[in-house]
Amino acid sequence: SQKIEQNSEALNIQEGKTATLTCNYTNYSPAYLQWYRQDPGRGPVFLLLIRENEKEKRKERLKVTFDTTLKQSLFHITASQPADSATYLCALVAYSGAGSYQLTFGKGTKLSVIP
Amino acid sequence: NAGVTQTPKFQVLKTGQSMTLQCAQDMNHNSMYWYRQDPGMGLRLIYYSASEGTTDKGEVPNGYNVSRLNKREFSLRLESAAPSQTSVYFCASSATGEWNEAFFGQGTRLTVV
Repeated sequence: SQKIEQNSEALNIQEGKTATLTCNYTNYSPAYLQWYRQDPGRGPVFLLLIRENEKEKRKERLKVTFDTTLKQSLFHITASQPADSATYLCALVAYSGAGSYQLTFGKGTKLSVIP
Repeated sequence: NAGVTQTPKFQVLKTGQSMTLQCAQDMNHNSMYWYRQDPGMGLRLIYYSASEGTTDKGEVPNGYNVSRLNKREFSLRLESAAPSQTSVYFCASSATGEWNEAFFGQGTRLTVV
């Protein structure tokens, strides 16, 4: 069966350090992988997208890698700040037939950045 | 710039009651989605609509129906609510094309007693 796993339910990290979150998938052939941020009581907000033929993508302090051989994406936040504390979700975009695409989410990792 | 608007924000239903969750987007997106989010389960896709006039089942469609009323609006109906449908429901939309990000509404917190 298809699975998306974000290895840690929760991750605590000291301010200033690099946070690394993991997303693994099985039985998918995703065209794209996305990362979202979700704050309590709010809907997810898009952060970054990476295509299957891209190894790495950066946006300010964020970096995402995508390894289709390992079926894994890593999400890094460098120089982490308390304001980065949130739940981070990975999502796979996969073709579902008839020109449509499904967006399927992992369960998320709750990141806490400790001052 | 409203984006995706869901109504209501909160709702309490009794078991067996019916209700419709409304969702509208003003970004001219073709694709719209309904998800539910439960503690420890993450976001699970209920139904989606790739374009006006089409709908497809997602991972957890049982107990729900949807209507893509027009390009802007995608509603989710619970015909006979059950306590297992207590959840936070999110509507989302995206432009055509798999590379496009999804925009989410603020969610509807539904409690079925």
